[in-house]
Amino acid sequence: KNQVEQSPQSLIILEGKNCTLQCNYTVSPFSNLRWYKQDTGRGPVSLTIMTFSENTKSNGRYTATLDADTKQSSLHITASQLSDSASYICVVSRGGSNDYKLSFGAGTTVTVRA
Amino acid sequence: DGGITQSPKYLFRKEGQNVTLSCEQNLNHDAMYWYRQDPGQGLRLIYYSQIVNDFQKGDIAEGYSVSREKKESFPLTVTSAQKNPTAFYLCASSTLAGKNIQYFGAGTRLSVL
Repeated sequence: KNQVEQSPQSLIILEGKNCTLQCNYTVSPFSNLRWYKQDTGRGPVSLTIMTFSENTKSNGRYTATLDADTKQSSLHITASQLSDSASYICVVSRGGSNDYKLSFGAGTTVTVRA
Repeated sequence: DGGITQSPKYLFRKEGQNVTLSCEQNLNHDAMYWYRQDPGQGLRLIYYSQIVNDFQKGDIAEGYSVSREKKESFPLTVTSAQKNPTAFYLCASSTLAGKNIQYFGAGTRLSVL
């Protein structure tokens, strides 16, 4: 079964601190992995996308890593800001004829406090 | 959200009533999708369409219907047969070559009165 598991479910951090979110997947065949940021009551917005051959991708204070061998990804947020408070969703895409079928994690809710 | 407009932002449904959620895109994308988002769960695919006048059921199509009369528009109707419609509904679109790179609208929150 194609699954995406994220941890932790939620976390609270102080402004200026770093945090790391985890994503484990069993999706096969693998095409790419994306991290989305979803503000409350809004649609998801893409942060990073990585293919099989990439193991690190940065977007400002967001750095994603991918280990395709262990099927694990992480999203590291550096020097957190209040605006980073959101849900972060890991999404894995399949290759082949089912490329439209995305597998979504349940998300990690990050709360940044002053 | 850019380029994909969902309306209304909030919608209330009475028991036995059908309601329609609007999704319009100006990205010139051929493919469009409807997802349902529930707390603590990943997004689930309801319906998708790759071309005008054609659409396929996703994983949870029961109680929903769609139409694709125009490339830009993909409305979703939540019928009275959907017994648990309260959720956040997201519309997305993509090119045919990049179906795994989907862009999302801002969502519609549907509640039951």
